[in-house]
Amino acid sequence: SQQGEEDPQALSIQEGENATMNCSYKTSINNLQWYRQNSGRGLVHLILIRSNEREKHSGRLRVTLDTSKKSSSLLITASRAADTASYFCATDAHTGGFKTIFGAGTRLFVKA
Amino acid sequence: AAGVIQSPRHLIKEKRETATLKCYPIPRHDTVYWYQQGPGQDPQFLISFYEKMQSDKGSIPDRFSAQQFSDYHSELNMSSLELGDSALYFCASSLDGAKANSPLHFGNGTRLTVT
Repeated sequence: SQQGEEDPQALSIQEGENATMNCSYKTSINNLQWYRQNSGRGLVHLILIRSNEREKHSGRLRVTLDTSKKSSSLLITASRAADTASYFCATDAHTGGFKTIFGAGTRLFVKA
Repeated sequence: AAGVIQSPRHLIKEKRETATLKCYPIPRHDTVYWYQQGPGQDPQFLISFYEKMQSDKGSIPDRFSAQQFSDYHSELNMSSLELGDSALYFCASSLDGAKANSPLHFGNGTRLTVT
């Protein structure tokens, strides 16, 4: 990956359970974003957390950011079968230009 | 609401041929990004444009070039195609790129197959 690792690479859970995905990155950042991708489709933006924020919520999503450890986590609560997708974190690096770099992604499978 | 439009959706080319992928960003978006995604891989940043000027470059081969036109649409030109160029190519756009905290809006991609 251009940016770092995501953990786990794949996750299989039952509907109703919570899913936690972790992301690490390499450089200093302006913000960190999470995206979702259904197989073969374009990525869809879920949530953005700025470098001076530590936690953010949006519906069933909760994102944390630890800039000292260069890591972030995405929690999806009360998962649904429709949450089955790949989830990627992405960072907007301090390059002087516009360059959003994606991590390796976690493939989430939610069993009904 | 209007989304990012990419064309064509599918493209089949032979080795050593050229390909041109087109991207029409969301109206009024000023920043365009191109990504390449191989099977089971994360999207790899290729290049970005802000206000029709190249902004940053990633792992884009010298055989590839891109530009953004006066109407803000962008084209990715790929020459001397290789089998390894087979991938999904995504375009994304964002608003107010200068603020550097704008989410990316993705098109549905062009699937390029090189035979």
